[in-house]
Amino acid sequence: KAGVTQTPRYLIKTRGQQVTLSCSPISGHRSVSWYQQTPGQGLQFLFEYFSETQRNKGNFPGRFSGRQFSNSRSEMNVSTLELGDSALYLCASSLATHTDTQYFGPGTRLTVL
Amino acid sequence: QKEVEQDPGPLSVPEGAIVSLNCTYSNSAFQYFMWYRQYSRKGPELLMYTYSSGNKEDGRFTAQVDKSSKYISLFIRDSQPSDSATYLCAMQNTGTASKLTFGTGTRLQVTL
Repeated sequence: KAGVTQTPRYLIKTRGQQVTLSCSPISGHRSVSWYQQTPGQGLQFLFEYFSETQRNKGNFPGRFSGRQFSNSRSEMNVSTLELGDSALYLCASSLATHTDTQYFGPGTRLTVL
Repeated sequence: QKEVEQDPGPLSVPEGAIVSLNCTYSNSAFQYFMWYRQYSRKGPELLMYTYSSGNKEDGRFTAQVDKSSKYISLFIRDSQPSDSATYLCAMQNTGTASKLTFGTGTRLQVTL
């Protein structure tokens, strides 16, 4: 069974631009969560989608948004990029309930110049 | 103050040593406790998953949870160079769906 895939793997943007990252969960998984990983703050929860609905949200500004499609694939968007948005963005998928194991993708490394 | 505290290391041990990794937390609502391993340029992979207090063993890995002290540990026996990675503790409560709260990770180096 294929794992969680994320595209692109690397991205370089400049301040003020916007970016869209994509995540394809493991087949059959309906929950997709997004995390931001930085050296200073570690892994921080952004949001979770289940059946195309945002089910939970972390403490990030409204510039960070996401969506989930009917096939469970998910995208996250960051608008008006800031230098501090440079990070590894990780996507994790799980079957359905909150106790199901979360499987992480390799991440998208975003650099904002 | 962070909800989950973890010593960032780095921790360097010789091959064959017993490694002890720890996290403390402040949120008493956490019920599920996990340890993830992350190799460089990879996503985290789940090592151990524990519900509430107690011990769980899987091969060379043992996870311990002490909810009364708000303290969790991961022990690695007979450590190998392939264990060199960053180890992340993560916690979850039943009220917040799939949200995991992570420690900042401990970088482990196992030397020959």
